[in-house]
Parts: sequence; structure tokens; C-alpha cells
Amino acid sequence: SQTIHQWPATLVQPVGSPLSLECTVEGTSNPNLYWYRQAAGRGLQLLFYSVGIGQISSEVPQNLSASRPQDRQFILSSKKLLLSDSGFYLCAWSAVADDQPQHFGDGTRLSIL
Amino acid sequence: KQEVTQIPAALSVPEGENLVLNCSFTDSAIYNLQWFRQDPGKGLTSLLLIQSSQREQTSGRLNASLDKSSGRSTLYIAASQPGDSATYLCAMTGSARQLTFGSGTQLTVLP
Repeated sequence: SQTIHQWPATLVQPVGSPLSLECTVEGTSNPNLYWYRQAAGRGLQLLFYSVGIGQISSEVPQNLSASRPQDRQFILSSKKLLLSDSGFYLCAWSAVADDQPQHFGDGTRLSIL
Repeated sequence: KQEVTQIPAALSVPEGENLVLNCSFTDSAIYNLQWFRQDPGKGLTSLLLIQSSQREQTSGRLNASLDKSSGRSTLYIAASQPGDSATYLCAMTGSARQLTFGSGTQLTVLP
């Protein structure tokens, strides 16, 4: 069966520090991968998605970036965090076809001080 | 720009009651609609996926319907239990081929 792992579960970082959140998927090949952010009291916002290694699409301009160095690994990064980057970050995967559901990880709670 | 709206934002019901959660969307070119459950501080659990060619999907006590012409979906929960308490999110895949989420309905089932 397929599983998705995100880490860390919780992170507290000072403003201006770098960020690296990692997501890996097991039990499937060539998945579509997604990064979402859920801010307090708001819905989920798609940040990045990837249909293959090295292929990243950005949905929202910001100081975050994403990379996909391996087929089942998706990394969310920042060189200098802002206060507005606080939130709950969720990674998801889906099979390639349009009619497949997305499956989510347990999320990372990021607090910027 | 596609938008997804969920009303009400919060709902509290006594245990055993049947209930309906509502979701409306603006993009008529819908590919599918997905209902999720989110427990506090946790990720999303996929409950049901309805393809654009379907009118409803059922899983246990859950039934989701889709009416493309009116831009609406409902999630019906039968015989609600305290363990059903969570935030329920609907999300549609539209012409942009990406999921657009509603803000969710926070459900509390009182024992």
C-alpha cells in the first residue's frame, strides 16, 4: 500500500532563517506531488506541484521554492523565512490520471518567531 | 477563477442525527469533487471522490452527491457519532486541473 511521510511534524524558526521540509512517498511510482499551506482560519492554498523529477510548477509567487530530486521525494525550502510563512504545510500525492484522489501527509506545523 | 464555498462554517448536532454538509463551486468544467476529513492538527483523510460523470458515491454511513448544473455537492452523514467530529473539506478539480478547496465545515457531534 502507498504511504506518505512528512517531517518534521512541528518546527519553530526565527524570522530570516532557512527552511527545509521533506516529503516522501512509498509504494507507488511517478506520482504527482503537491505542497499546500493552510493558514489559520483559511482554506488550503496550493503552493507547488510536480509531475516528475525536476518538474516544478508554482501557483503562488512567494519566497518559498520546491524541488523534486528523486521520483518520490518533494522538498519545500526557503532561504529567509518571513512571519507570514507561518502555517500548516501539507504534502500530497496522487496517481497521474485526472480521476485519482489526492492523499495527504500528516502535515508540518511551522511557527515563525 | 474557480471558488469553492462551504456553508455552514460550523455545525453542532446531537449524536444519532442524520446531517448534510453543503459545498458549492463556480467552475462548471469540473473533473471531480473530493470530500476530506481533517482532525485538529492533522492532515487530510480522503473520504469520497465523485467523478464528473457520476451523481453520487457511498462509503459506509457517508454519501456524497454531485449536481454539476447547480454547482453543488452534499455530504450526507447518517446516524452521526461523536467520532465523526472533525472539519470536513470539499475540493474540486476544475479546468485548471488542480484542487481548489473550500474553507471547511467544523462538525461537532454531541454525545
